[in-house]
Amino acid sequence: GDSVTQMEGPVTLSEEAFLTINCTYTATGYPSLFWYVQYPGEGLQLLLKATKADDKGSNKGFEATYRKETTSFHLEKGSVQVSDSAVYFCALSANSNTGKLIFGQGTTLQVKP
Amino acid sequence: EAGVTQSPTHLIKTRGQQATLRCSPISGHTSVYWYQQALGLGLQFLLWYDEGEERNRGNFPPRFSGRQFPNYSSELNVNALELEDSALYLCASSFGTDTQYFGPGTRLTVL
Repeated sequence: GDSVTQMEGPVTLSEEAFLTINCTYTATGYPSLFWYVQYPGEGLQLLLKATKADDKGSNKGFEATYRKETTSFHLEKGSVQVSDSAVYFCALSANSNTGKLIFGQGTTLQVKP
Repeated sequence: EAGVTQSPTHLIKTRGQQATLRCSPISGHTSVYWYQQALGLGLQFLLWYDEGEERNRGNFPPRFSGRQFPNYSSELNVNALELEDSALYLCASSFGTDTQYFGPGTRLTVL
């Protein structure tokens, strides 16, 4: 079945460090891919998305490129801030007829000053 | 523009009781989705409502049910509560089957 695998956390970085959070997926067809972020005590916020191969989603300095050949959608940011500390979820929508988002397990990012 | 709103923020119930959670979608959105985020189990799809109809449900027992009203708001009902129903319940909305936008969640605690 369809699935999403994220790198294990927690990830601890110093402020201004480079961030990569790996995400790979298994799906039939051509899924849409998403990154959501969850700050402590809050719901999910859409960070970025890509709907077809080679698309690059970007927002607030975060980027991710839809790589069909490696079935990956890795999240990157050039210089993290303390305020980026949160849990990051990679998700896919494989079939719009189901309405279902399939999420990875989440990766906790902690940025230290 | 207001986002997805959910009420209540927190809900405490005892085992065997019923819980009702409410969700108001973003204005103009016709689809509402419910997800459960339980500790150690991640985010699991529960239900999808569109234009007042249930379109799909996840792998949850029938005691999880809901409905969507003519104004597109929705409620999730959980009957015969069990301890393992304790979780954050997230509602999302979309225009058709486009990108889902989430609300802040309702924290349900079952004692």
